[in-house]
Amino acid sequence: DIQMTQSPSSLSASVGERVTITCRASQDIRHYLAWFQQKPGKAPRSLIYAASSLQSGVPSRFSGSGYGTDFTLTISSLQPEDVATYYCHHNSRYPRTFGQGTKVEI
Amino acid sequence: QVQLVESGGGVVQPGRSLRLSCAASGFTFSTYAMHWVRQAPGKGLEWVAVIPYDSIHIYYADSVKGRFTISRDNSKNTLSLQMNSLRPEDTAVYYCARDSALIPFDYWGQGTLVTVSA
Repeated sequence: DIQMTQSPSSLSASVGERVTITCRASQDIRHYLAWFQQKPGKAPRSLIYAASSLQSGVPSRFSGSGYGTDFTLTISSLQPEDVATYYCHHNSRYPRTFGQGTKVEI
Repeated sequence: QVQLVESGGGVVQPGRSLRLSCAASGFTFSTYAMHWVRQAPGKGLEWVAVIPYDSIHIYYADSVKGRFTISRDNSKNTLSLQMNSLRPEDTAVYYCARDSALIPFDYWGQGTLVTVSA
C-alpha cells in the first residue's frame, strides 16, 4: 500500500501569511495527488486535483505543486476562513490512502 | 446541483449488521464511480470501498474486506454499504463520495454516524 505522510501535523500562522504543507508518498504516484479541506463538523471539500489543478470555485490563493513522491499545498495569503484540517490523498491505485492531516490555525 | 445524502447510521452492538444508503441526485449517477470514506471520531479520513459505474471491479480496504459489501442500483440512483460483523473500531462518520477519472472525490455527502458499542 502507498503511505502518505504530511508535515507538519499542525501549524499556526498569521492572517496574510504564506502557508506551506508538504505531502510525501511512499511510492511514485506521478500526478495522482489531491488536496482536501475539512472544517469541523463538515464533510471534506476538494481543493486541488492532479497535483496542481484548482477545483472549480476554490480561491486562487490555494495552489498545489509536485510530481512523483513529493507534493506541496500552498496558501499564498492565509485568511480566517482557511482555518481547517487539510488532507492529501493519492488516487494512483487501490487501496486509496490519505495523509494524516495538517491542522491550520490562526 | 449534485447532492449526496447518506442515511442508515445509528448505534449497533458489536457483531451485528447495519446497512447504509446514499441517495444521489443532480448528475448522471450511472456514469460515475462511487466510494465510501469514513472518519473515526477525532481521527483522519480512511478510504473504505469503491464501486465503478458498472459494478465490475470493486475494491475494499483491508480493514473491512470480507465484512463490508458495497453495491449500487443505477435505476434508483442509490449507493449502499452492507456492514456485517461490526467492531468498535468501525465507529465513524461514513461519507459517500463521487469519483471521476481525473477528479477524485469532487462531491461528498454530509455523512452518517455509525456507533458500534455494547
